[in-house]
Amino acid sequence: DVKVTQSSRYLVKRTGEKVFLECVQDMDHENMFWYRQDPGLGLRLIYFSYDVKMKEKGDIPEGYSVSREKKERFSLILESASTNQTSMYLCASSLLQNQPQHFGDGTRLSIL
Amino acid sequence: QKEVEQNSGPLSVPEGAIASLNCTYSDRVSQSFFWYRQYSGKSPELIMSIYSNGDKEDGRFTAQLNKASQYVSLLIRDSQPSDSATYLCAVFSWRGNQFYFGTGTSLTVIP
Repeated sequence: DVKVTQSSRYLVKRTGEKVFLECVQDMDHENMFWYRQDPGLGLRLIYFSYDVKMKEKGDIPEGYSVSREKKERFSLILESASTNQTSMYLCASSLLQNQPQHFGDGTRLSIL
Repeated sequence: QKEVEQNSGPLSVPEGAIASLNCTYSDRVSQSFFWYRQYSGKSPELIMSIYSNGDKEDGRFTAQLNKASQYVSLLIRDSQPSDSATYLCAVFSWRGNQFYFGTGTSLTVIP
């Protein structure tokens, strides 16, 4: 089975802090994704990566950056956290672009 | 127009009944279609993939795809209270080279 592991289930940070969310997958998947999910808004794509050191902006990249130095790891960075970034953050991976994405357990991030 | 549309519900069915969840999509060249189940406070879990027209069955779940009408549906037979969750429809299109998720349909199975 595919295993996507996110480093924290719950995280509380303060406005202005730099926040790192880590995601690791163990299935040698090419593609990795970061989403946020808010009530009534569904899943929104922040960034994705189709290969090591590659990154592409999703629908809502503002205020975020990513890093993919190794194939199995995809990090999301909040450069200067703000309260409107309080959300559930979900990492996903897939073998090929048109194949199903598999999600980690999610990180519920609160910015105070 | 949204890429993927679902009725947000809530949909309520009695235990043992058939639950029918529907999804429409806007891009005719969409190729791959998926249903995810998401329990409250949890992450989405893949339950069905379908790539060609027709029906695909897996246990109590049946996915139906009609590309001409641009809809995909999920039937849950013999619904159980443990099926109570939000069901997300997802579509992959090579045109946008991206996955598109619907906002989900909330299902409640009443014992």
